Amino acid sequence: GENVEQHPSTLSVQEGDSAVIKCTYSDSASNYFPWYKQELGKRPQLIIDIRSNVGEKKDQRIAVTLNKTAKHFSLHITETQPEDSAVYFCAASSTSGTYKYIFGTGTRLKVLA
Amino acid sequence: NAGVMQNPRHLVRRRGQEARLRCSPMKGHSHVYWYRQLPEEGLKFMVYLQKENIIDESGMPKERFSAEFPKEGPSILRIQQVVRGDSAAYFCASSPPNLQETQYFGPGTRLLVL
Repeated sequence: GENVEQHPSTLSVQEGDSAVIKCTYSDSASNYFPWYKQELGKRPQLIIDIRSNVGEKKDQRIAVTLNKTAKHFSLHITETQPEDSAVYFCAASSTSGTYKYIFGTGTRLKVLA
Repeated sequence: NAGVMQNPRHLVRRRGQEARLRCSPMKGHSHVYWYRQLPEEGLKFMVYLQKENIIDESGMPKERFSAEFPKEGPSILRIQQVVRGDSAAYFCASSPPNLQETQYFGPGTRLLVL
């Protein structure tokens, strides 16, 4: 069935360093890949997304890359700050289906000051 | 434009009781999704609804769970005869008709079954 694997499950970086989170999806029909940030007890918030017709997208310190052939996509956060500490979820969906999201299991990012 | 609203934010039920969770999508959004998040886990899709229609309920348990999105009013996720394993955070999300792939999440309802 549809599945999204996410690694690592936890990640600690020093403030100012970069953080990379990787996801792999199984459904070849997936063509939309959002990333959400969830702080403790809060709602997931969309931070960046990418569609399958592009290989990379950047928004200030955040970038996402997509390799459709390998079914991999990654989130890159540069110059990390303590307020980046949260749980990050990747997801995959198909715009030819019902648009439901299949989420990864999450990465708990801790930025050490 | 107010965001997605959910209520109650916290709900405590005893085993065997019913839980009703409500979700009001963003203004102009006609698609509603429900997800369940168990403690320390990711979000799992439950059901996708449009006004008066269930489009995809492939993630919904076959028994005790039901969902609706009436012509007027919020979407309701109903859990009958709750059990301890139903304790979780339930999030709804909505999306606009012209950008259906982008979902905006509500604050969630945290259900605790005693």
